[in-house]
Amino acid sequence: EVQLVESGGVLVQPGGSLRLSCAASGFAFSSFWMQWVRQVPGKGLVWVSRMNAGGSMTLYADSVKGRFIMSRDDAKNTLYLQMNSLRAEDTAFYYCTRLSVHGWADYWGQGALVTVSS
Amino acid sequence: DIVMTQSPDSLPVSLGERATINCKSSQSVLSSINNKNYLAWYQQRPGQPPKLLIYWASTRESGVPDRFSGSGSGTDFTLTISSLQAEDVAVYYCQQHYYTQYTFGQGTKLEIK
Repeated sequence: EVQLVESGGVLVQPGGSLRLSCAASGFAFSSFWMQWVRQVPGKGLVWVSRMNAGGSMTLYADSVKGRFIMSRDDAKNTLYLQMNSLRAEDTAFYYCTRLSVHGWADYWGQGALVTVSS
Repeated sequence: DIVMTQSPDSLPVSLGERATINCKSSQSVLSSINNKNYLAWYQQRPGQPPKLLIYWASTRESGVPDRFSGSGSGTDFTLTISSLQAEDVAVYYCQQHYYTQYTFGQGTKLEIK
């Protein structure tokens, strides 16, 4: 069974940093593109970033480019999102998803809540 | 960025009736290479993460009931639920995965009338 479990969501002050993790199991993690999507509570879904299998290519939304860094450790079957220079508008649930070879998100984690507030 | 616009924002439908949700892309998501539309639909029930319903604009994901169907091509797409069930109450999102920055529609909240 495919499972994606996010962790690391906490309350952080504006300007601070945080790293989210996503532990993957039940599939060949190293063979799949992976993605982060966020959602402000009660609002819509927003694509954040995605990374290819192998980790040589990463794409980011303009809103996080230069502040967020996506990475993966295939030996640990874990995806990461390093979030720097955090702003109040980064407050959201962050979902880790697996991507099919053509780009739709076929599995989603339960989400991790990041709150940026003083 | 490609803008995905869904209509309506909110849709009250009686149990057993048809529900229709529209999604319009600001640019075509139809690939000239494989003649596929890079458009997916997701369902998000209250308190749950999103779940994939349909990909390639019209292909149901495994396990999705056949009352769900997708149609359309290019820039205009539709998600139809043929006979609304109580468990279909959710927010539905379309997403294009053709251009570099994937984008979602704003969501359509489906509720029981």
